[in-house]
Order: sequence, then structure tokens, then C-alpha cells
Amino acid sequence: EVQLVESGGGLVKPGGSLRLSCKASEFTFSTYNMNWVRQAPGKGLEWVASITSDSNYIDYADSVKGRFTISRDNAENSLYLQMNSLRAEDTAVYYCARHGSWGQGTLVTVSS
Amino acid sequence: NQMTQSPSTLSASVGDRVTITCRASQSVSRWLAWYQQKPGRAPNLLIYKVSILENGVPSRFSGSGSGTEFTLTISSLEPDDFGTYYCQQYNSYSPWTFGQGTKVEIK
Repeated sequence: EVQLVESGGGLVKPGGSLRLSCKASEFTFSTYNMNWVRQAPGKGLEWVASITSDSNYIDYADSVKGRFTISRDNAENSLYLQMNSLRAEDTAVYYCARHGSWGQGTLVTVSS
Repeated sequence: NQMTQSPSTLSASVGDRVTITCRASQSVSRWLAWYQQKPGRAPNLLIYKVSILENGVPSRFSGSGSGTEFTLTISSLEPDDFGTYYCQQYNSYSPWTFGQGTKVEIK
């Protein structure tokens, strides 16, 4: 069974930084495009960023462009999201996802 | 590509037939999926490529449509079907987009 396990969430002050990680297992990670999706409390799903299997193409939602950086390490079966200049509106559960499979999510809270 | 779901909420009785609609602002071809999300849990894939049932998903769930208009149907609502349902377009060449969700409540 596909496993995606996120980590790295927590409480951070506005303007601060956080790096999320997602460890993949039970599938050939290096052949899949990967995504980060977030869900603010009580709200719907918002795509954040995507990266192709070979890291050659990366895309971001306008709301995070210039502040967040998605990356991956296929040798480590891991996906990352570096989040800088965090704002209150970035508060959400962040999910690592490939088509059809999602992690359990990690909560990021931006508050002073 | 904006995805618009309707209704936003619905309340139905066990045994009812339930239909949720999803409209795309431009064609998504067949790259349309449906997810169910329970409170505090990650979304769970129900249907992909418009009408293909994910392994283990009960046959009372079905999907149909093409181009820009799609439906998710639950043929006979069960108590465990409560939750929020999202449509998603997942064309490889454009960002994922989601509908705003349909909250299903059991009367």
C-alpha cells in the first residue's frame, strides 16, 4: 500500500520559515509527479505546488509563488516544501500527494 | 481551470439517491476525479478518469460526464457516506484544481 508520511509542521511566527518533508514508500517514487496541497481550517482543498518526477518542471500557486520552494530527492524517496515569509493565511494542514494517494497531513500554524 | 460544485451542502436520508455536480470552466477531457473527505482525515479517492471506481470503493458510487460537466452519484445513501466530496481536475500539464466541496449530511 502506498505510504506518504509528512513531517515538519508546527507553530511559527509571521515572517518565519518552515521546511516540510514527505517520506514515500511502497511505490516507485522516482516515476511519479508529486504535489503539495493545503487545507485551511474549515476550508476546501488548495493546490500549492507540483514537481515532475525528474524535477524538470515545477509550478506554484500564485498565493505562494516567490515564498515557497518545492523539491525532491529521488534517492531518498522524499519530497520537500521550503516555506519562507510565512503569513497567517498560510495556516493549514499541508498534504503531500500523488494522483490518488495522500499523506495524513501536517499542520502549519502561523501566529504571533 | 475553475471547478464549481453544486450543491454546497445536502441533507439526505439513508437509501436516497444523491447526485453532486461539478462544472469546469474549460474542458478537462477525462482527467476528473472525485474524493471523499471525513473530518480530520485526508481525502480518499473514489473515482478517477470520470467513471473508474478506485479499488475497494463500493459500487453504489458512480461517476459520469465529459468535457466540462460531471456528476457523482450515490445510488443508495449509506450512513458511512457522510463527509465532504470534492471534484478535482488533474491534467498533467496544468495545476490541480478542486471544486469547493459538497458537504453531505445524513438526515
